[in-house]
Amino acid sequence: GQQLNQSPQSMFIQEGEDVSMNCTSSSIFNTWLWYKQDPGEGPVLLIALYKAGELTSNGRLTAQFGITRKDSFLNISASIPSDVGIYFCAGQQGAQKLVFGQGTRLTINP
Amino acid sequence: NAGVTQTPKFRILKIGQSMTLQCTQDMNHNYMYWYRQDPGMGLKLIYYSVGAGITDKGEVPNGYNVSRSTTEDFPLRLELAAPSQTSVYFCASRNYEQYFGPGTRLTVT
Repeated sequence: GQQLNQSPQSMFIQEGEDVSMNCTSSSIFNTWLWYKQDPGEGPVLLIALYKAGELTSNGRLTAQFGITRKDSFLNISASIPSDVGIYFCAGQQGAQKLVFGQGTRLTINP
Repeated sequence: NAGVTQTPKFRILKIGQSMTLQCTQDMNHNYMYWYRQDPGMGLKLIYYSVGAGITDKGEVPNGYNVSRSTTEDFPLRLELAAPSQTSVYFCASRNYEQYFGPGTRLTVT
């Protein structure tokens, strides 16, 4: 099946640092989505991207839809303790089901 | 809107028992999905539905069944529970962006 390569798999940073993670695919997607999952909870949608080249912000989060439509990145600026969790990217083609990345586990040292 | 709701939140089953995981959404979404997430892993698609009366297999459908008699409900059935089905199960729905329920943590012993 289709695969999304999400990197890095894990990150250990200091509070206040900026974070960057990305997803790449061999397939083209029409939509990119970024989710955050807290322990014991379901994934929560952070940002949705619908157009190649689109750059969208949600507070301290910024995500971009790659111009080739095969990649996306998520940046978190000035990280805080509540940013801890697992971040998933997901790609979608038209009406098809989503394809998820393997997740990036973010740990923050205070 | 309550969004996507799942019941139960936790369940322990003995090997060979059966159960139904309930999922309901009140957003009038056409598409609904069932995923499982094993510890430290990503999400694997079990079954999905593009509308009432239509279901299709995902990546890991063996040991599960689904039905979609209404737009709102998409129950997942385990007929003969096995230890390999110990996992956290998430239901999701969408028209455009996909939204997840809070999950059902299932242990089969």
